[in-house]
Amino acid sequence: AQSVTQPDIHITVSEGASLELRCNYSYGATPYLFWYVQSPGQGLQLLLKYFSGDTLVQGIKGFEAEFKRSQSSFNLRKPSVHWSDAAEYFCAVGAGGTASKLTFGTGTRLQVTL
Amino acid sequence: SAVISQKPSRDICQRGTSLTIQCQVDSQVTMMFWYRQQPGQSLTLIATANQGSEATYESGFVIDKFPISRPNLTFSTLTVSNMSPEDSSIYLCSTPEGDTQYFGPGTRLTVL
Repeated sequence: AQSVTQPDIHITVSEGASLELRCNYSYGATPYLFWYVQSPGQGLQLLLKYFSGDTLVQGIKGFEAEFKRSQSSFNLRKPSVHWSDAAEYFCAVGAGGTASKLTFGTGTRLQVTL
Repeated sequence: SAVISQKPSRDICQRGTSLTIQCQVDSQVTMMFWYRQQPGQSLTLIATANQGSEATYESGFVIDKFPISRPNLTFSTLTVSNMSPEDSSIYLCSTPEGDTQYFGPGTRLTVL
């Protein structure tokens, strides 16, 4: 069965600083990988996804993520964080290599200081 | 992209009662899912809502506790039965469209 690990429960960065959120997955084949963001009181919004091809994927709001098969990782990055980026970030893997049933990591709460 | 709405957006219920959550998609979809997000936790898949047949439940979830209906290709309901404070969570429905899973805004349930 697939699994996702987000080792950082809580991260605090200063506005304007760079950000990297870690995600490690366990899946037997090429995974379908996703990053979602959940702002307070909001639903889940898809930031970006990876299925195949270029291992560096661009998403919305200036986020990018890099798929590294050798490390089973799919870390999320942003070069300059804005205060509005404060939210909960979830990494997820699709079961059976699809976007259907998703297994989520435990999430990383991002706090941005001014 | 699929637009999903849920009703109610939030509710406060007494233990022992039941609550039915509605999920409406703006287009016909084959698959619909229900997830639970307990306070401070990640999302856990409850079940797949199948149109015209019984829902498929994940390990740890049973039909008696979380009965699901899927009367057509745009609508589903999840009932949380005989509630206890441990059922206090956000319940979300979702559907895949192409290679992306879209989520409803969630229903925040508090059980007293």
